[in-house]
Amino acid sequence: TQLLEQSPQFLSIQEGENLTVYCNSSSVFSSLQWYRQEPGEGPVLLVTVVTGGEVKKLKRLTFQFGDARKDSSLHITAAQPGDTGLYLCAGEGYKGGSEKLVFGKGTKLTVNP
Amino acid sequence: DAMVIQNPRYQVTQFGKPVTLSCSQTLNHNVMYWYQQKSSQAPKLLFHYYDKDFNNEADTPDNFQSRRPNTSFCFLDIRSPGLGDTAMYLCATSVNKRGARYYNEQFFGPGTRLTVL
Repeated sequence: TQLLEQSPQFLSIQEGENLTVYCNSSSVFSSLQWYRQEPGEGPVLLVTVVTGGEVKKLKRLTFQFGDARKDSSLHITAAQPGDTGLYLCAGEGYKGGSEKLVFGKGTKLTVNP
Repeated sequence: DAMVIQNPRYQVTQFGKPVTLSCSQTLNHNVMYWYQQKSSQAPKLLFHYYDKDFNNEADTPDNFQSRRPNTSFCFLDIRSPGLGDTAMYLCATSVNKRGARYYNEQFFGPGTRLTVL
């Protein structure tokens, strides 16, 4: 069974601080996605990483896929209150072609003004 | 804009009273999913349709059923809701063709928040 472990589970920081969220597994994934979910809404896809070592940037957010495709990180620079939400990583199995994702348990981020 | 729509957004029902949640999509995606999400937890997959093929998760209670009358619509039926079924129910879609390379990016609706009293 493939598992994705996210850390930290909860994170409360002040506006302007930097933070990193981690997503780790002992399994290899063919791709990994990051979603952000705001309270009372559905998750919204932020990025998909597919190549080992890949780095993608989305404004103040930087996503990295580990060289072995077993882990990923999300780094936010100068966090803002609008970044508050539940961040979920989700992986697609190594064999690919599966229509199911493995979700991490999420990191609940609160950015205080 | 292409999107995933869920109705109703909020539903309150009585213990044991059947309830149906609906999902529609304009993305023309062939795969549709139903997830259950409890407070600040990851979504838990209940079942999904790959085209017309229904795929149930092993730990999904029999109390939960689904119908997909056509590509655009999918329904979640809870036959006898219990207090533990209070949760957010999320519908998602993706495009996936076996044998082809897709990254299974899922597009979620806004969810239906179900409260069982």
